[in-house]
Amino acid sequence: DAKTTQPTSMDCAEGRAANLPCNHSTISGNEYVYWYRQIHSQGPQYIIHGLKNNETNEMASLIITEDRKSSTLILPHATLRDTAVYYCIVRPHSGNTPLVFGKGTRLSVIA
Amino acid sequence: ETGVTQTPRHLVMGMTNKKSLKCEQHLGHNAMYWYKQSAKKPLELMFVYSLEERVENNSVPSRFSPECPNSSHLFLHLHTLQPEDSALYLCASSQAPTPIEAQYFGPGTRLLVL
Repeated sequence: DAKTTQPTSMDCAEGRAANLPCNHSTISGNEYVYWYRQIHSQGPQYIIHGLKNNETNEMASLIITEDRKSSTLILPHATLRDTAVYYCIVRPHSGNTPLVFGKGTRLSVIA
Repeated sequence: ETGVTQTPRHLVMGMTNKKSLKCEQHLGHNAMYWYKQSAKKPLELMFVYSLEERVENNSVPSRFSPECPNSSHLFLHLHTLQPEDSALYLCASSQAPTPIEAQYFGPGTRLLVL
């Protein structure tokens, strides 16, 4: 169920901001946007989530467009440790919907 | 360190063996999950437990048997597995089994069935 579309891969220079886009044009009003990442050989790691307002935490910022059809995850100062596959997921805030990971974006941070 | 630990980290077993995977969460969460991640395939949800009761079982073969003795511990008992069951098995927990709650994953157990 391809509810989100992400680029397959991206490169980012170390110390620069990494901007990862996600399209979710069929998102419905009760669905949140979640971002997780998975570093090689580790379990997925929760990053951030939001509904319609922009969100920021110690890891990243999430910018959601006003029509909510797309969003961007921003890592303000990427480090080599941020090299991972980043997953954008939409889920309703109620019900018993499983967490479905698509193919994500493979971010490579380059020294 | 996510607060979710899994043991063993690596496991090799024959098709006739019986083994168990263990997960423990130190976050005070009430929901726990088992996922399977095969090579080049998306993450697959296997089981969901809420307050030690199974609330979801995604058509998983009976050779996988979960057990949740309390809200901090989750086991996955394995018997007569097949080589295609080789995968990374991930445990996760969340405050509640509702979509709005973020899930926190353990490091996984990499299983090889010979």
